[in-house]
Amino acid sequence: DVKVTQSSRYLVKRTGEKVFLECVQDMDHENMFWYRQDPGLGLRLIYFSYDVKMKEKGDIPEGYSVSREKKERFSLILESASTNQTSMYLCASWDRGYEQYFGPGTRLTVT
Amino acid sequence: QKEVEQNSGPLSVPEGAIASLNCTYSDRGSQSFFWYRQYSGKSPELIMSIYSNGDKEDGRFTAQLNKASQYVSLLIRDSQPSDSATYLCAWGGGGADGLTFGKGTHLIIQP
Repeated sequence: DVKVTQSSRYLVKRTGEKVFLECVQDMDHENMFWYRQDPGLGLRLIYFSYDVKMKEKGDIPEGYSVSREKKERFSLILESASTNQTSMYLCASWDRGYEQYFGPGTRLTVT
Repeated sequence: QKEVEQNSGPLSVPEGAIASLNCTYSDRGSQSFFWYRQYSGKSPELIMSIYSNGDKEDGRFTAQLNKASQYVSLLIRDSQPSDSATYLCAWGGGGADGLTFGKGTHLIIQP
């Protein structure tokens, strides 16, 4: 049974803080993703990775960076959090050609 | 640009009736298609996958795929209040950037 875990379910940070969101998958998948989801806007891809140390920008990478030092772990970094980054952040793992598995999500509030 | 079109709803269906959800996609080369269910505040969970033309049934759920017309649908028989959720359709085009998601249809099952 595939499991994707995220470091926090709820997070409250102040404007300007550096924020780390971590995601771990246990199925040896090569592909991992970070999305944000806002009402009416659907899932928007921030960054994805198809191998260790490899990363690609998604549709909305501005203000974010990522790190993938180990195959099972994919981290999203907000260098300087802003209020417009308040959102639900979803990590996903993918066995290419099949379904994506999502983590439980992190509800981030930036005040 | 890869796109998935879904009616955002809300779609209101009486309890016990059949709920019909539809989705069209833009890429004729798509190989894999998925339906996810998302409860409010939770992450998407896979409920159906379909890879070839025709119908696929799983319990009360039936996915229908028509590649020539580029649409995929989900039927929910004997709808229950617990089926009230947002349903996301997604397709895979083979690229490393994962699945392309629709914005979702909000389904309400009225007791």
